[in-house]
Amino acid sequence: GAGVSQTPSNKVTEKGKYVELRCDPISGHTALYWYRQSLGQGPEFLIYFQGTGAADDSGLPNDRFFAVRPEGSVSTLKIQRTERGDSAVYLCASSLWGNNSPLHFGNGTRLTVT
Amino acid sequence: SQQGEEDPQALSIQEGENATMNCSYKTSINNLQWYRQNSGRGLVHLILIRSNEREKHSGRLRVTLDTSKKSSSLLITASRAADTASYFCATDEGGSNYKLTFGKGTLLTVNP
Repeated sequence: GAGVSQTPSNKVTEKGKYVELRCDPISGHTALYWYRQSLGQGPEFLIYFQGTGAADDSGLPNDRFFAVRPEGSVSTLKIQRTERGDSAVYLCASSLWGNNSPLHFGNGTRLTVT
Repeated sequence: SQQGEEDPQALSIQEGENATMNCSYKTSINNLQWYRQNSGRGLVHLILIRSNEREKHSGRLRVTLDTSKKSSSLLITASRAADTASYFCATDEGGSNYKLTFGKGTLLTVNP
């Protein structure tokens, strides 16, 4: 079956611009996560959705970052006024439910802010 | 913040040899998971071990967990070139039932 799909796979943007990153989770997975991975590091938690609501957004670095999941399926991570330090791979994952069920990751969006 | 710390950071072995990677963590956990990441790809779940388990097997993988030492090890037996990847441990920090905290990973290279 189809896995987690993320688009675009690569995004290059200029400092100060707005970007949207999209995630299509596995059908039927109620839990959705965004992680950020910098070079040579493990993924760092950004936000967790259970259904349509953001159950935990404590990992978002600041108020330039926002994520939505309006219908409980597709999610969009939005970054305003991008900075060079935002450059990283943004990974989306989904799972059947929270409760530590294994995460299924997409291949990520590599964001480069010039 | 990253709780798990893998050791070594990089490991290079010959095909057929065994590879052992270690992970240490800081807070109490309900379970620990291991993931693999091929270059430029997402992470793939390998195995989950609960805090009341000491050892678990899955194919050529063997995971141990020592909660008294807050450490885990991943053993890959009879390694293959296709096992070349980064391996990460992930813990449910503080017993969270959804948030995983990943270590920095071990880069394993298996030479044919």
